Amino acid sequence: ELKVEQNPLFLSMQEGKNYTIYCNYSTTSDRLYWYRQDPGKSLESLFVLLSNGAVKQEGRLMASLDTKARLSTLHITAAVHDLSATYFCAVDISGTYKYIFGTGTRLKVLA
Amino acid sequence: SQTIHQWPATLVQPVGSPLSLECTVEGTSNPNLYWYRQAAGRGLQLLFYSVGIGQISSEVPQNLSASRPQDRQFILSSKKLLLSDSGFYLCAWSHLALPREEKLFFGSGTQLSVL
Repeated sequence: ELKVEQNPLFLSMQEGKNYTIYCNYSTTSDRLYWYRQDPGKSLESLFVLLSNGAVKQEGRLMASLDTKARLSTLHITAAVHDLSATYFCAVDISGTYKYIFGTGTRLKVLA
Repeated sequence: SQTIHQWPATLVQPVGSPLSLECTVEGTSNPNLYWYRQAAGRGLQLLFYSVGIGQISSEVPQNLSASRPQDRQFILSSKKLLLSDSGFYLCAWSHLALPREEKLFFGSGTQLSVL
């Protein structure tokens, strides 16, 4: 059974701290995606990771991909309140048009 | 540029009533189209996807159906809603013709409450 699992599910952190969200997937995938969702809103694309060892950074967020371990990480550096949201990883299943999403990580950054 | 429209934004329906949610994409042709559902506080569940007119793949057997009557139109329907159909419904599109950074683009969502 295909699984995309994120860890942790909930994360409460202080402003200025660093933390990492993990995404494990159980199938062969060509690409790994990270999305952000604010409460009651749609999903906004953050990163698309295309190959093993890929690393992308945008502001205080950095995403990486290890296809051999089937693991992606989303690292938060010096968190600020505006980063509070739910973060989803997703994979597209090789040879199909399907995108499967992880369970989501609800991040709350405390001032 | 491409845009995706989804409506209505909010819907309250009684149990047993029918449902029709519509999604349209502008600025592109032959997109792949998707319907996802998100239960309160949960992740996204893929319901249906379509790679062309009249081509619908169902991921989860349930009380819902989807149709694609036109290239850029995707409709989610139900004949009789259940309480368990409540959730946040998201339409999305992607396109194989995009460069290597192909990804899903989401609509604004429909919050459905079945009472």
